[in-house]
Amino acid sequence: TQLLEQSPQFLSIQEGENLTVYCNSSSVFSSLQWYRQEPGEGPVLLVTVVTGGEVKKLKRLTFQFGDARKDSSLHITAAQPGDTGLYLCAGDGGSNYKLTFGKGTLLTVNP
Amino acid sequence: GAGVSQSPSNKVTEKGKDVELRCDPISGHTALYWYRQSLGQGLEFLIYFQGNSAPDKSGLPSDRFSAERTGGSVSTLTIQRTQQEDSAVYLCASSFGTSGGWVFGPGTRLLVL
Repeated sequence: TQLLEQSPQFLSIQEGENLTVYCNSSSVFSSLQWYRQEPGEGPVLLVTVVTGGEVKKLKRLTFQFGDARKDSSLHITAAQPGDTGLYLCAGDGGSNYKLTFGKGTLLTVNP
Repeated sequence: GAGVSQSPSNKVTEKGKDVELRCDPISGHTALYWYRQSLGQGLEFLIYFQGNSAPDKSGLPSDRFSAERTGGSVSTLTIQRTQQEDSAVYLCASSFGTSGGWVFGPGTRLLVL
């Protein structure tokens, strides 16, 4: 069974601070997705990383896929209250549809 | 519509009753997925539909759960004889093939009393 561990589980910071959340596994994934979920809504896809060592930037968000394709990180620069939400990582073990999700990091950015 | 819609948004039922949850995917999306999100748990795969192919039902937790997709569009997830452990948010997503970006619906929050 593939597992994805996300850390930290909870993170509360002030507006303007930087932060990094992690997604780790002992399993290799063919790709990994990051989502943000707000209360009462479904997850919204932020990015998909496919190649080991890949780095993708989405405005103030930087996503990295580990060289061995077992882990990933999300770095947010100068966090804003609008970044508040549950950040989920999801790994594809090769099926393209049976994703393994982490339990998420609940981020609160205080103004 | 522009996004994936699900109904009802909330459902409260008594233990032992049957419930039907509906998902309307984005028009033209061939792939449809059902996942379950329980409190404190990650999203759990339930079932996957792709075009006219046989669905992958391997994630359904018991034979009380069933799902169908009519005409390659709307999907219904049925839970028979609901149990309290079925309480969760049931999420539906669709995509254009499995390589396309997934779009999730807002979910149906099911509470079994």
